[in-house]
Amino acid sequence: DQQVKQNSPSLSVQEGRISILNCDYTNSMFDYFLWYKKYPAEGPTFLISISSIKDKNEDGRFTVFLNKSAKHLSLHIVPSQPGDSAVYFCAATGDTDKLIFGTGTRLQVFP
Amino acid sequence: NAGVTQTPKFRVLKTGQSMTLLCAQDMNHEYMYWYRQDPGMGLRLIHYSVGEGTTAKGEVPDGYNVSRLKKQNFLLGLESAAPSQTSVYFCASSYRYEQYFGPGTRLTVT
Repeated sequence: DQQVKQNSPSLSVQEGRISILNCDYTNSMFDYFLWYKKYPAEGPTFLISISSIKDKNEDGRFTVFLNKSAKHLSLHIVPSQPGDSAVYFCAATGDTDKLIFGTGTRLQVFP
Repeated sequence: NAGVTQTPKFRVLKTGQSMTLLCAQDMNHEYMYWYRQDPGMGLRLIHYSVGEGTTAKGEVPDGYNVSRLKKQNFLLGLESAAPSQTSVYFCASSYRYEQYFGPGTRLTVT
């Protein structure tokens, strides 16, 4: 039973346009959500997070939106750049011990 | 400040061999984790530790053992490697929610 789902394995976006990556979760006890970015042959790096008490968090070109009623979060990247090409994982937690990761979405930003 | 380091970076084992993967962090984090990443499966938690001397099972613990004798080190052991353990292994550490990952160990079991 996958508690965190990223239903789009891949996404291709033109440079300068918006990238929207989606994530759904099933466990209503999750109260903190994170996005990680992973380049090939490297470990994942933390990108941005959001607490369930908020519905939006912004950091530069990256914004995460949380819709608790739909159990859905999304990551917006505006404008997209070629260096954003990577695999993006969303993760969720209901306590401080463990994160539950999605399967990842591979983003490709082309010129 | 090296962050999280993993040793070795690559390893090829024959079925039945044993090995230990070493993870070290210099951020004084209490929590440490071992994950495996397989195609289409995301990151799956193998074992984790909430402090020196403690360990706990994650989602896929079978075939692995861990030890946390020192706060800065977290060891992952494979006692009898199987082809199903071919994967990329990541270690992570954290203070709170945000986990910091090492560069990974690519393990192939033939």
